[in-house]
Amino acid sequence: GQQLNQSPQSMFIQEGEDVSMNCTSSSIFNTWLWYKQDPGEGPVLLIALYKAGELTSNGRLTAQFGITRKDSFLNISASIPSDVGIYFCAGLISHELPAQAGTALIFGKGTTLSVSS
Amino acid sequence: DAGITQSPRHKVTETGTPVTLRCHQTENHRYMYWYRQDPGHGLRLIHYSYGVKDTDKGEVSDGYSVSRSKTEDFLLTLESATSSQTSVYFCAISEFRGNGELFFGEGSRLTVL
Repeated sequence: GQQLNQSPQSMFIQEGEDVSMNCTSSSIFNTWLWYKQDPGEGPVLLIALYKAGELTSNGRLTAQFGITRKDSFLNISASIPSDVGIYFCAGLISHELPAQAGTALIFGKGTTLSVSS
Repeated sequence: DAGITQSPRHKVTETGTPVTLRCHQTENHRYMYWYRQDPGHGLRLIHYSYGVKDTDKGEVSDGYSVSRSKTEDFLLTLESATSSQTSVYFCAISEFRGNGELFFGEGSRLTVL
């Protein structure tokens, strides 16, 4: 089945540094999404990308949908302690039937971000 | 916040006992999902529902069953819990088919001894 390779697996950075993480796959996706999970909570959607080449920002976060449709990148600028958590990428495969909605969404294994002040 | 509640939030049980986790939503969303999260594996789909009484299997469905008798409730049942089912379980809901935008619950931590 389709797989997403998310890297790095973990990052340890100083407050104020910029962060970059990415997701790659051998499969083509129609949508890329980035979620963040705070410790002890469920993931929350940060950014959704719907077109190849699309660059979208949400505050200090910027994400891009790769031109090949096989990858996506997330950058965090000027990190702060509350950026700590697990960041998941997710890719959505095109599908026609409601019954396919669940298996059409593939998650990466996450990047754990630690920020020291 | 999306109105999604999971219960129980924490449960410890013994091998071989049945366990049911409940997901309740107040958003009237059509799609509901159960994921499990384990270190090194990320989020893995167990089962999902695309309507009342319409469910299908995900990546790791063995040992689990689900039921959805009304829009707001999606139940996950472990008929006979095993230690390998110790995990954190997340319910998620989605309004639109196929846009990948999920709202997650806060999770249910299950420990099987």
